[in-house]
Amino acid sequence: EDQVTQSPEALRLQEGESSSLNCSYTVSGLRGLFWYRQDPGKGPEFLFTLYSAGEEKEKERLKATLTKKESFLHITAPKPEDSATYLCAGGQGGSRLTFGEGTQLTVNP
Amino acid sequence: DTAVSQTPKYLVTQMGNDKSIKCEQNLGHDTMYWYKQDSKKFLKIMFSYNNKELIINETVPNRFSPKSPDKAHLNLHINSLELGDSAVYFCASSSTENSPLHFGNGTRLTVT
Repeated sequence: EDQVTQSPEALRLQEGESSSLNCSYTVSGLRGLFWYRQDPGKGPEFLFTLYSAGEEKEKERLKATLTKKESFLHITAPKPEDSATYLCAGGQGGSRLTFGEGTQLTVNP
Repeated sequence: DTAVSQTPKYLVTQMGNDKSIKCEQNLGHDTMYWYKQDSKKFLKIMFSYNNKELIINETVPNRFSPKSPDKAHLNLHINSLELGDSAVYFCASSSTENSPLHFGNGTRLTVT
């Protein structure tokens, strides 16, 4: 059975304090590893797709990386507006995606 | 110009009632989905429709019935609501099976 596990469940950072979120996966036939951001009361918003080990993608203060077993979301010098729940998902596509439980990130000013 | 919109945003109802949630996407995507997010934030696929045809149903009770009048709309009808149906339901769409999902803002269903 496909499994996606995210850690930590919650993370509190001071503004400017860089850190990483982890997503471990065991997914058969992985076609993509997706990262989403979810704000309270909103739907998940797509951030990145990673397709193969060694791939990296960046967007502003976020950088996502992928190995054969894990993906990391690195947050450099975060700001309070980066506070959200970050979800990762892996699988064979939209109807066969397994989501992790998410990491709730709080960035204090 | 909201890409994926669903209504209502909140739905409070009593056990045993029947309710519907509507979803529309203006992205021109071929595939639409219903996901359920429980209190622990886990998102689980319920249904997937590709160009109006159901292509997956992940062990969802048959009290839940999706209906897609055209490829831009996917509604969810729920019969005989139970307490355990309380959750946030998200509609989503994607251009292809392997493309990123675009989610609506969810419908919080509370069954009392």
